[in-house]
Amino acid sequence: GAVVSQHPSWVICKSGTSVKIECRSLDFQATTMFWYRQFPKQSLMLMATSNEGSKATYEQGVEKDKFLINHASLTLSTLTVTSAHPEDSSFYICSASRSGPPNEQYFGPGTRLTVT
Amino acid sequence: AQSVSQHNHHVILSEAASLELGCNYSYGGTVNLFWYVQYPGQHLQLLLKYFSGDPLVKGIKGFEAEFIKSKFSFNLRKPSVQWSDTAEYFCAVNLFSGGYNKLIFGAGTRLAVHP
Repeated sequence: GAVVSQHPSWVICKSGTSVKIECRSLDFQATTMFWYRQFPKQSLMLMATSNEGSKATYEQGVEKDKFLINHASLTLSTLTVTSAHPEDSSFYICSASRSGPPNEQYFGPGTRLTVT
Repeated sequence: AQSVSQHNHHVILSEAASLELGCNYSYGGTVNLFWYVQYPGQHLQLLLKYFSGDPLVKGIKGFEAEFIKSKFSFNLRKPSVQWSDTAEYFCAVNLFSGGYNKLIFGAGTRLAVHP
């Protein structure tokens, strides 16, 4: 149990376009979903936390208008990178957790975004 | 600010050698502790976790970790590594901050095991 999927697994887009990444909890209801960014050979950096039906909470330094997060249901959260630029190229990873303790996060396989 | 420190960025071992990866965190409140592994080209996998109880936790693939509260540490150990353990290892601490829980990752330790 506790499987999280992401789609697409990799995407290439042109500079200036927008791209949407989906994160789904397949066998549980995720009241909270998290979006991370991982640069090559670096650690995961939390971008934002989203609770179902609420606005996302962004970490300091993350542009809300550039990284739009929607958590419309208990099984789906989306991250839209708007007006993408080459510096947005990265590995984006989502995770999901159930309500209440133990507050464990279950990670998706990640999406590799390349902006040309 | 809360942080997680992993002391070794790169570790190179021969097969059958023992492994210990250090992890320290700076946070005085209640924490949940995790070790994740990321094999080359693969996604993050949970190795083991500590929430409460016995501070010595055992995970998958022969890994274990010990939570020492007085030292704010959660070091990962394996008595005898294998070539297949070559991967990047991340320590993470779950904090409860600002009304929601937040997972903070260490910088990671890249382990290379030579046959």
